[in-house]
Amino acid sequence: KQEVTQIPAALSVPEGENLVLNCSFTDSAIYNLQWFRQDPGKGLTSLLLIQSSQREQTSGRLNASLDKSSGRSTLYIAASQPGDSATYLCAVRPHSGGSNYKLTFGKGTLLTVNP
Amino acid sequence: DVKVTQSSRYLVKRTGEKVFLECVQDMDHENMFWYRQDPGLGLRLIYFSYDVKMKEKGDIPEGYSVSREKKERFSLILESASTNQTSMYLCASLRATTYEQYFGPGTRLTVT
Repeated sequence: KQEVTQIPAALSVPEGENLVLNCSFTDSAIYNLQWFRQDPGKGLTSLLLIQSSQREQTSGRLNASLDKSSGRSTLYIAASQPGDSATYLCAVRPHSGGSNYKLTFGKGTLLTVNP
Repeated sequence: DVKVTQSSRYLVKRTGEKVFLECVQDMDHENMFWYRQDPGLGLRLIYFSYDVKMKEKGDIPEGYSVSREKKERFSLILESASTNQTSMYLCASLRATTYEQYFGPGTRLTVT
């Protein structure tokens, strides 16, 4: 059974700092990995999607990497801003054809960027 | 941009009431999902649908049913609401070409 772990559970940084959020998963047979952002009381916003054949994806100040063999992904946020404060979740999709509808989510990292 | 909308942001219902949560997506996606999210438990899949009138149980289907009469609309039904169904409910749809999942804004349901 796939398990996804996100460390740390919470992170507080001063504005302007570069930071890394970690995601690990136990089964490397994945189709893709997706990073989401969730603001309090809101839905999930898709940030980056990495297919299993890719090593990284970039969008603006965000860069996500994937090392499938070691079961790890990182989300790098450059020059953090108070508006980046949110919970960040990673989710993996299995490769097996019949069940690749099912995302397995981590519990998230609560990021606070202090002005 | 993909848009997934949910009929209500906040809903308060009484125990025993029948509750309908509606979700609409505008990207012609075949796959749609209902999750609930609770502190400490994360997101859990209730039901999903891979086509009109087709549905599959997720991890926690007990106490829920779903309806998919049109491709763009997926409804979650609580036949007889109970207090343990107080939660944040999130709808999602899936782009089949990339398997990228998109979520709606969520419905915070309180059952009293």
